[in-house]
Amino acid sequence: RKEVEQDPGPFNVPEGATVAFNCTYSNSASQSFFWYRQDCRKEPKLLMSVYSSGNEDGRFTAQLNRASQYISLLIRDSKLSDSATYLCVVNVVGNQFYFGTGTSLTVIP
Amino acid sequence: DVKVTQSSRYLVKRTGEKVFLECVQDMDHENMFWYRQDPGLGLRLIYFSYDVKMKEKGDIPEGYSVSREKKERFSLILESASTNQTSMYLCASRSHRVTGYTFGSGTRLTVV
Repeated sequence: RKEVEQDPGPFNVPEGATVAFNCTYSNSASQSFFWYRQDCRKEPKLLMSVYSSGNEDGRFTAQLNRASQYISLLIRDSKLSDSATYLCVVNVVGNQFYFGTGTSLTVIP
Repeated sequence: DVKVTQSSRYLVKRTGEKVFLECVQDMDHENMFWYRQDPGLGLRLIYFSYDVKMKEKGDIPEGYSVSREKKERFSLILESASTNQTSMYLCASRSHRVTGYTFGSGTRLTVV
């Protein structure tokens, strides 16, 4: 079983739509959670950390559900510039990080 | 901003060649990592280092070695390149105090 699983998509949504991605993790001892964004042929960049109480950064909202072992990312009012692959990252302890394979999002004019 | 610099964006090497991929970070981070990224497989950890001269195997160390002689530099070595090592290689660093990674811009290696 993979440590982190994501729906690869692709998600194709119109501008202005709301879209949500989920990511499940297998290790209940996981401590920290992140969403990264990766543009085509570029390196991943940290989008936001995910906190237990949920957190928001502008149009982006991240949630953590420890009981069901998943994290989510909600993007409101999608922009063309949001088109990218979104990677879920889970830190178990220390330098043990696990990456999902990514969810591809295309925002269509 | 933390900067992680990888020496080459694109490399083409022949089967059997010894290949060096260099990574330098400028923020005094203790931890450095080498990943490869392949379609459908995501990022897989090759090696990491938590201090100078220290190294730990990741999930797929076979066919690779690493060197960390200075804190800011972490090198990945392909002892004898093979076609199945064609991939995007990403270096990353992080501090003990900060949990997120900063990645370099990647090296796309093709072995022919």
